[in-house]
Amino acid sequence: DTAVSQTPKYLVTQMGNDKSIKCEQNLGHDTMYWYKQDSKKFLKIMFSYNNKELIINETVPNRFSPKSPDKAHLNLHINSLELGDSAVYFCASSQVRRSRPYGYTFGSGTRLTVV
Amino acid sequence: SQQGEEDPQALSIQEGENATMNCSYKTSINNLQWYRQNSGRGLVHLILIRSNEREKHSGRLRVTLDTSKKSSSLLITASRAADTASYFCATPLIYNQGGKLIFGQGTELSVKP
Repeated sequence: DTAVSQTPKYLVTQMGNDKSIKCEQNLGHDTMYWYKQDSKKFLKIMFSYNNKELIINETVPNRFSPKSPDKAHLNLHINSLELGDSAVYFCASSQVRRSRPYGYTFGSGTRLTVV
Repeated sequence: SQQGEEDPQALSIQEGENATMNCSYKTSINNLQWYRQNSGRGLVHLILIRSNEREKHSGRLRVTLDTSKKSSSLLITASRAADTASYFCATPLIYNQGGKLIFGQGTELSVKP
């Protein structure tokens, strides 16, 4: 039983296209995240949602739009893809108490390649 | 700006040896976490140490935290080839909203059989 599952695992697409990545967690966590990992393995937060409410939007271009239909799902839609969007995108979830996140559970990642 | 910096960036050892990785951070924290990432996979949470703890053990892992020096170390004892991975420290900011973790740049550990 996968705790945090994201699809697809690989995504190759042309510049200018629009694509979506889906994420689901079955851990009952109240907070979900999108992180971007670049080619040097540097991880940077993009968004966090707590119980379907957007909490963090970390100066991400508005071509990126997260959507959380319920607290178990957090999808990421990207419009007008650019070469610089190529990276690995990770979904994660955690329980947050008094603003303190406990251990994250990560999905296996989506490797996005824009050509 | 990046909260955590890890040292060394890369470490290569023989199976059976111990591996030590260090992490320094800049601001006050209430906990510090270590993660492992195998090649092509997601990160896996290894251990969380709270700011009022100095040392914590989990199997072959030992984590220390020195809040006066704003540093932490991860020791893997009796390493195995399967420990080959990247290791990241991560910290939430003390007045953080939204559960944000800031990750260090990672240490790439290679354990040779």
